[in-house]
Amino acid sequence: GEDVEQSLFLSVREGDSSVINCTYTDSSSTYLYWYKQEPGAGLQLLTYIFSNMDMKQDQRLTVLLNKKDKHLSLRIADTQTGDSAIYFCAETPGSSASKIIFGSGTRLSIRP
Amino acid sequence: KAGVTQTPRYLIKTRGQQVTLSCSPISGHRSVSWYQQTPGQGLQFLFEYFSETQRNKGNFPGRFSGRQFSNSRSEMNVSTLELGDSALYLCASSLAGTGYQKGFFGPGTRLTVL
Repeated sequence: GEDVEQSLFLSVREGDSSVINCTYTDSSSTYLYWYKQEPGAGLQLLTYIFSNMDMKQDQRLTVLLNKKDKHLSLRIADTQTGDSAIYFCAETPGSSASKIIFGSGTRLSIRP
Repeated sequence: KAGVTQTPRYLIKTRGQQVTLSCSPISGHRSVSWYQQTPGQGLQFLFEYFSETQRNKGNFPGRFSGRQFSNSRSEMNVSTLELGDSALYLCASSLAGTGYQKGFFGPGTRLTVL
């Protein structure tokens, strides 16, 4: 099946690292993504990782992929108030290269 | 380059009416996908068009339809609106619609059905 799951909420202190976790069921997923959605806005692609990679780093963002456990994580270093948003984990299923399956989103809130 | 544009941004309709939403992709992009976002169901794939052909379709009733024009602009239509159709409708464009090119979403059209 095609299912993506992630926790609903995460609260971190400003300056700390945030780690958002996600699990997926499709072992043939080709690409996995992290999107950010701010209030009243559309979706912004933060980063993606191809299924044959273990890690990808892009400035403050680090994506880790454990394909055996079908687990994806997004680490945001030095979390800032501007990082407050909903973060969606998503995948392109192996059965269809032209659609994306999204998780329910994790709302990240930043404490001062 | 201009981003993905969607019109209108907000729409209020009543049950039983029909609605047409428009999406203009980034210049040069040939794939347009549509998604519905609701608090209860989250983000769900509606359909994808590439070069004026529907290439993929999600699990939505036939009241939801779409088309793509030769300039790659796309429209989606919802007929006989129901209260449950109230949602944010997002459109995404990409060069070919496959692989990693999933990054360009528009701001969405918020549809309210009364």
